[in-house]
Amino acid sequence: DAKTTQPNSMESNEEEPVHLPCNHSTISGTDYIHWYRQLPSQGPEYVIHGLTSNVNNRMASLAIAEDRKSSTLILHRATLRDAAVYYCILRHLSIQGAQKLVFGQGTRLTINP
Amino acid sequence: DGGITQSPKYLFRKEGQNVTLSCEQNLNHDAMYWYRQDPGQGLRLIYYSQIVNDFQKGDIAEGYSVSREKKESFPLTVTSAQKNPTAFYLCASSKLAGGYTGELFFGEGSRLTVL
Repeated sequence: DAKTTQPNSMESNEEEPVHLPCNHSTISGTDYIHWYRQLPSQGPEYVIHGLTSNVNNRMASLAIAEDRKSSTLILHRATLRDAAVYYCILRHLSIQGAQKLVFGQGTRLTINP
Repeated sequence: DGGITQSPKYLFRKEGQNVTLSCEQNLNHDAMYWYRQDPGQGLRLIYYSQIVNDFQKGDIAEGYSVSREKKESFPLTVTSAQKNPTAFYLCASSKLAGGYTGELFFGEGSRLTVL
């Protein structure tokens, strides 16, 4: 399975942009890049996903490198509620169609007031 | 509201006892999953199911069992064979067709402690 590499932790200030990097050098052509985040003692929640082009939604933006070997999740204006563990995941389809998402340790994001 | 409900939220078990964690979804999703999370760690896949009466082992299935008798339900039994069962257990579901985006929807988790 293709793996992702993320920094263990990052810190930022409230109301500033945050760029969370992810390396996935062994990504295959049919792997989508997904991001989830997990607040303490809760289940992860979906943030955003993409394949080749940059993507925007109400929560964040996803910038994907041209060679697709890395991506960056961008929180445009961090709030204290964005403090969480962020997981970068590659999703591929098995023959049967279900997904076996591999969640690594993620990046623990701390937001300073 | 549609979502995934896990129960109980907290559970204590004596060594040697089996325990069953409930997971129910009303999202009409085809696939359901069980993950385990240890403190400070990522999630590891225990079992997953794509359709009723069918399920596959994930990466750490030993000591666990599941059933999928109904589309909306996917209970997980932690058996006495599981050597280190204390963990946070997360259930998830996803569509497999019709607007499929690959997004997983998670429950709020069940925290199991073995005394």
